[in-house]
Amino acid sequence: EVQLVESGGGLVQPGESLRLSCAASGFTFSNTWMGWVRRAPGKGLEWVADINHVGTETYYLDSVKGRFTISRDNAKNSLFLQMNSLRVEDTAVYYCARHGDRCFENWGQGTQVTVSS
Amino acid sequence: DIVMTQTPLSSPVTLGQPASFSCRSSQSLVYGNGKTYLSWLQQRPGQPPRLLIYQISNRLSGVPDRFSGSGAGTDFTLHISRVEAEDVGVYYCMQGTQLPWTFGQGTKVEIK
Repeated sequence: EVQLVESGGGLVQPGESLRLSCAASGFTFSNTWMGWVRRAPGKGLEWVADINHVGTETYYLDSVKGRFTISRDNAKNSLFLQMNSLRVEDTAVYYCARHGDRCFENWGQGTQVTVSS
Repeated sequence: DIVMTQTPLSSPVTLGQPASFSCRSSQSLVYGNGKTYLSWLQQRPGQPPRLLIYQISNRLSGVPDRFSGSGAGTDFTLHISRVEAEDVGVYYCMQGTQLPWTFGQGTKVEIK
């Protein structure tokens, strides 16, 4: 059974940093593209970042480019999202998601990130 | 960016009756390989999203067969043949044809 478990969320002030982690199991992590998707309060889903199976290609939503970094450790079946210079508008539940063929086939439970002064 | 527009944004449905929801993309979702990367996801209250259908009409293993998808090009529809109480939630369409991947605003389904 595929399992994705996020951690690392919390309450921070604008300008601060957080590092999200996602522990994956139940599939061959090193063969799979992964991504982060968020849902802000009262809003819909928004794709944030993607990384290829070996970590050599990364893609970002324009509004997070230069502030967020997606990475992975295939030896530890783990996905990360380093979030710097956080803004109030980054407040959301962040989901780790496993790619299918250009879709998101499995999702974690999510971790809450709140940016507020 | 490809804009995904869903209608309606809210849909009161009757248990046991059919329901359908629309999704339209601002440009064709046909990829260079001929495939169309339009998927549908369900998000029940308090739960993470769940993939129901990919490439317009392919149901993921374990998804009830009362869910089906149709459409082509820029116009797509999710159908529920007979609504059940557990179908309450928000339904999103998503395009995987061109980065950035984009979602519709969601259709909120509630029981009348």
